[in-house]
Amino acid sequence: DVKVTQSSRYLVKRTGEKVFLECVQDMDHENMFWYRQDPGLGLRLIYFSYDVKMKEKGDIPEGYSVSREKKERFSLILESASTNQTSMYLCASSLRRGAQYFGPGTRLLVL
Amino acid sequence: EDQVTQSPEALRLQEGESSSLNCSYTVSGLRGLFWYRQDPGKGPEFLFTLYSAGEEKEKERLKATLTKKESFLHITAPKPEDSATYLCAVQAVGSSGGSNYKLTFGKGTLLTVNP
Repeated sequence: DVKVTQSSRYLVKRTGEKVFLECVQDMDHENMFWYRQDPGLGLRLIYFSYDVKMKEKGDIPEGYSVSREKKERFSLILESASTNQTSMYLCASSLRRGAQYFGPGTRLLVL
Repeated sequence: EDQVTQSPEALRLQEGESSSLNCSYTVSGLRGLFWYRQDPGKGPEFLFTLYSAGEEKEKERLKATLTKKESFLHITAPKPEDSATYLCAVQAVGSSGGSNYKLTFGKGTLLTVNP
């Protein structure tokens, strides 16, 4: 079974803080993705990586950066957290063009 | 631009009352269509992949079908535990490496099955 884990289920941060969200997958998948999910807006792709150290912007990259130093780990960084970044953050991984498998999500509240 | 529209937004059924969810898509070239189930507060769980028109996949009370313009998720004799949001996503034939791997998601159908 594919397993995708995320470092925190719930996180509370202050405006202006630098925030790190970690994601680890154990199935040797090439691709990893970060989404945010908001009511009424659905899943929106922030960034993805299709190989180690390779990254590409998604639909809403502003205010975020990513890091992928190892194949199994993909980090999402909020450089300076703002209240409009309060959301559910979901990490996913996939083999090349296959289905994406999601982690349990991190619910982030920025005060 | 790839687009996915799911209908209805919400569906309420009685236990045992069969129905279908719709996923209409617009994509330059379809590589695959994916169905997911999402429970409240959790990440989406992969259900099916469909690749070509006419293809069908089944799992317990769920059956997914695909045409050139839409996909249906048929739910036969649903139970309360089938209550969830069902998401549809498409993967397009991309012009460059990374774009081949992206999914475009619909906003989902919230299914509630009452006992």
